[in-house]
Amino acid sequence: AQSVTQLGSHVSVSEGALVLLRCNYSSSVPPYLFWYVQYPNQGLQLLLKYTSAATLVKGINDFEAEFKKSETSFHLTKPSAHMSDAAEYFCAVSSTGANSKLTFGKGITLSVRP
Amino acid sequence: GAVVSQHPSRVICKSGTSVKIECRSLDFQATTMFWYRQFPKKSLMLMATSNEGSKATYEQGVEKDKFLINHASLTLSTLTVTSAHPEDSSFYICSATPRNTEAFFGQGTRLTVV
Repeated sequence: AQSVTQLGSHVSVSEGALVLLRCNYSSSVPPYLFWYVQYPNQGLQLLLKYTSAATLVKGINDFEAEFKKSETSFHLTKPSAHMSDAAEYFCAVSSTGANSKLTFGKGITLSVRP
Repeated sequence: GAVVSQHPSRVICKSGTSVKIECRSLDFQATTMFWYRQFPKKSLMLMATSNEGSKATYEQGVEKDKFLINHASLTLSTLTVTSAHPEDSSFYICSATPRNTEAFFGQGTRLTVV
């Protein structure tokens, strides 16, 4: 069994501030972990993924995440928020590979204040 | 990256009618596709795994007679919501994965049953 916990439902930051979105996972086997972004009424776009290679993963638009096995975490960060980063962010886990079904966290809404 | 196209993007139908949603992998073959349902301000819930040439695998609690899935070719899976009711109104998203890569999502279908 696998699960994802994203605490909180909404994060608000000022433009230019650090973005930190938290994700904790549970998996009985080494996990594959993903962060996706969703804009209103659109599908999901992959930001980055962890597939058992480097623990610090860099993604698109200056996002990165660090896999910490001891903490079962995969938090998403970005050094400087842009207005265009305002969206819904989902953390997801797969236990059987990047090409298998995903279990999603409930998502976090990121707001960026001017 | 790979492209997954979903059609229609929006549909309004009358209660009691059926609606078909298409999910196509445009530049790769997909033996497996996934169908998710997303409620407002909620996460994505996996409904079923669509397998080319065989029956779909439904998640627990998903009515297979209500949500008919057909995966007749390596590039097309369809989800038919039969005898739709207002409670079926939701955002439906499909995904597909080229071999050994991450999942690519369609742009989603907003279904409104009136």
